Amino acid sequence: GENVEQHPSTLSVQEGDSAVIKCTYSDSASNYFPWYKQELGKRPQLIIDIRSNVGEKKDQRIAVTLNKTAKHFSLHITETQPEDSAVYFCAAYSGGGADGLTFGKGTHLIIQP
Amino acid sequence: ETGVTQSPTHLIKTRGQQVTLRCSSQSGHNTVSWYQQALGQGPQFIFQYYREEENGRGNFPPRFSGLQFPNYSSELNVNALELDDSALYLCASSFGGEGQPQHFGDGTRLSIL
Repeated sequence: GENVEQHPSTLSVQEGDSAVIKCTYSDSASNYFPWYKQELGKRPQLIIDIRSNVGEKKDQRIAVTLNKTAKHFSLHITETQPEDSAVYFCAAYSGGGADGLTFGKGTHLIIQP
Repeated sequence: ETGVTQSPTHLIKTRGQQVTLRCSSQSGHNTVSWYQQALGQGPQFIFQYYREEENGRGNFPPRFSGLQFPNYSSELNVNALELDDSALYLCASSFGGEGQPQHFGDGTRLSIL
């Protein structure tokens, strides 16, 4: 089955700086890669996603890049703000017998004022 | 637009008991996926329901079972509860299951004593 590795587990950045979270996946058949933000005690919130036929996608301060050859994808957050502090999860969908998402273990992003 | 709702919010059970968790999908969505999220981990896929049938299953034993109703709401049933079943159980709905954006509910926090 699919395996998703996520790094780093904790990331601390100064407010206004950029943050980058990286994920790798194992199944070359994976074709959909969402990112979720989860604040303490709240539901995971879909913030951006990308499909395998696209190399990059942007939404205001957030961007995701995908390298299918290397089987890795990254989340980029620019001009970080205190409200960006949360745990971020990457995920991959490969279909087949199990039609669910495989998640990474999460990155705790801390925005220092 | 009504989001994904789950009930109950919290539940305490003892080993060997059975539990039923409920989920109402977001309006316009016809597919429900269930995930288990242990503390400090990413969600793990349990199974998915589409058109009232199980459409895919992760690595969970048969004592985890589910249902989907004609209005697309769903139940997760867990028999013979074990201490390791203590977790946050998340429901996510989508329109279709093939790598479509999934939106999560707030989850049910299940504690096994």
